[in-house]
Amino acid sequence: GENVEQHPSTLSVQEGDSAVIKCTYSDSASNYFPWYKQELGKGPQLIIDIRSNVGEKKDQRIAVTLNKTAKHFSLHITETQPEDSAVYFCAAFASSNTGKLIFGQGTTLQVKP
Amino acid sequence: DAGVIQSPRHEVTEMGQEVTLRCKPISGHNSLFWYRQTMMRGLELLIYFNNNVPIDDSGMPEDRFSAKMPNASFSTLKIQPSEPRDSAVYFCASSFRGDRGSPLHFGNGTRLTVT
Repeated sequence: GENVEQHPSTLSVQEGDSAVIKCTYSDSASNYFPWYKQELGKGPQLIIDIRSNVGEKKDQRIAVTLNKTAKHFSLHITETQPEDSAVYFCAAFASSNTGKLIFGQGTTLQVKP
Repeated sequence: DAGVIQSPRHEVTEMGQEVTLRCKPISGHNSLFWYRQTMMRGLELLIYFNNNVPIDDSGMPEDRFSAKMPNASFSTLKIQPSEPRDSAVYFCASSFRGDRGSPLHFGNGTRLTVT
C-alpha cells in the first residue's frame, strides 16, 4: 500500500526566513497531494494541494512542488511569521481506493520572532 | 458552514467502560473518515464510509472498535471495552468524493483518556 515519508520531523527558523518540508511517496499511481497545518487543540486544516498534472502551485507565501518521476513533493513557506508555527502534514491518496488518504509523520515548525 | 462537528471534545473514562464518539459531517459531503492521532503513530486511518457504507475498516485495531453511519449526517465510533492504550485524539473528517482526490475537512477531535 501507499507509504508517505516526511522530513524533517522538527524545523526551527528565524522570522522572515524560508522553510521547506519534503515528502516522498511510494505509490506511483497516487495523483493528489494535499498539505495540512495543525495548530494546538485543533484538527488538521488544508492549506494547499497539488494534482499530478501540475509541477508547482503557489498561494501567497506558500508553494508546493511535485516531482512525479522521483515521487517526491515539497512545501515551501517564504517570509515565515510566528503564526506559521504549527505541525505540518503532507499526504497522498492511495491507489487501492480513491478515498484513502495516507499522511506523513508530521513536521513541527517553530518560527522564532 | 459549521464544519465537521465532533463530540465530546474531551472524554475521560476508566478502563473497561464503553466510549462513544460522535461526528456530524459537513452537509453534502458523502465520505466520512475516522482517524486516530498519537505521538508514536501519528495520524492513522481507522475506517471510512462512502454514502454511509463502510468501505475500508482495515485500520480498526481490534474487535473492541466499531463504527456506524446510520445516515448521511451522523456517525459514531465506539470502543467497548476501553483500554489505557486507546488514549489518543480521535478525528472525524468528511469530503465530497466527486473525483479521485478530494480535500478532507477535519473536526477538532475528541481527546480520549482511559485510566
